Amino acid sequence: SQQGEEDPQALSIQEGENATMNCSYKTSINNLQWYRQNSGRGLVHLILIRSNEREKHSGRLRVTLDTSKKSSSLLITASRAADTASYFCATAIRDSGYSTLTFGKGTMLLVSP
Amino acid sequence: DAGVIQSPRHEVTEMGQEVTLRCKPISGHNSLFWYRQTMMRGLELLIYFNNNVPIDDSGMPEDRFSAKMPNASFSTLKIQPSEPRDSAVYFCASSLSRAFGESNQPQHFGDGTRLSIL
Repeated sequence: SQQGEEDPQALSIQEGENATMNCSYKTSINNLQWYRQNSGRGLVHLILIRSNEREKHSGRLRVTLDTSKKSSSLLITASRAADTASYFCATAIRDSGYSTLTFGKGTMLLVSP
Repeated sequence: DAGVIQSPRHEVTEMGQEVTLRCKPISGHNSLFWYRQTMMRGLELLIYFNNNVPIDDSGMPEDRFSAKMPNASFSTLKIQPSEPRDSAVYFCASSLSRAFGESNQPQHFGDGTRLSIL
């Protein structure tokens, strides 16, 4: 079963609006990462938040992490058409001994001009 | 800087044929990952190498799949014989782990190989 599950599966908004995507996971994590994937391309790393952090910012991105609820959210403010992509959360499981990540199935974001 | 380079970008072949996918990781990275992406199953980790050594191959579907990393700058994923259910996009990713098991580093993905088995 998936460690990370994104919600919603798809999101359609207008340029200038904010977009919020959520991720829930099942086991304790070392960190949680968000990636973007444009159509026909590979995934691109956006931001990493460690398990002892609650919030992190990078430009128009804001990520929160609630380890008690095993959930994270990605907020994109003032969205642009170029933000149209799929967004994935990925979790690094605590004490796994590995450098591997488990990815969710993603949220498909469409930003209309 | 050159990113992760995968070849070919597209591969169409008939069932039963051998398929070889290639990956050149980012120079200096010591961890390499092969993933498979489908609509139904999402992104699945197939195998993970650290310092050219396979560490976890539990995601490899079956014996028809094999992966090698003969040196730090090259890896292959081979399917023999191929089947229609192997059709997917295959990604290679690399990262720099400063300690074995460290996961606090981002992974850098290639643009994938879109594989179609007829």
